[in-house]
Amino acid sequence: LAKTTQPISMDSYEGQEVNITCSHNNIATNDYITWYQQFPSQGPRFIIQGYKTKVTNEVASLFIPADRKSSTLSLPRVSLSDTAVYYCLVGDGPMDSSYKLIFGSGTRLLVRP
Amino acid sequence: GAVVSQHPSWVICKSGTSVKIECRSLDFQATTMFWYRQFPKQSLMLMATSNEGSKATYEQGVEKDKFLINHASLTLSTLTVTSAHPEDSSFYICSARPRAGTDTQYFGPGTRLTVL
Repeated sequence: LAKTTQPISMDSYEGQEVNITCSHNNIATNDYITWYQQFPSQGPRFIIQGYKTKVTNEVASLFIPADRKSSTLSLPRVSLSDTAVYYCLVGDGPMDSSYKLIFGSGTRLLVRP
Repeated sequence: GAVVSQHPSWVICKSGTSVKIECRSLDFQATTMFWYRQFPKQSLMLMATSNEGSKATYEQGVEKDKFLINHASLTLSTLTVTSAHPEDSSFYICSARPRAGTDTQYFGPGTRLTVL
């Protein structure tokens, strides 16, 4: 079973900031939180990963509260090309060769002109 | 860095034939590779986990004799769909993880399989 819960879909307009929140109430102590972006008929693309507090890279920010039971992906000033499905994932299993990522439903983001 | 390729990108075959899909990590060694399947408008479903030099571990409900996985080297894993049928038509995606102890996976571009 997926360990994360996200909104099924979100709408936004070009130039706006988009925040997608993910719940992971049963996150394990050693789990990292990873976000991927997927366009139709393509493999998922890594966006950002974090463990706690805030992480920022050239495309997004990731906010993780102290209890780590949720996380928020923030996309600044979205454009039409950001229309995609966004997946929040935490690991499943011990951090060894059996560690795997189970995808939840993802959030389908639609950016309008 | 961290590029994963898949070949072919798409394939059309007749019912009853077998199809092999290759997954390669181009600039890193992958101790573990994963195979996913994705139907239209749905999320990715993990099919199996393969570690180099050992047998693949299949998720519940995935037929190991139907979906043969070989991970012969640290840069190559193959998925063979045996005796394919129309219901096997799907988007197959592989991913690779550089080493145990990290959970970052890098995904291939996917292979579209259509079985007539």
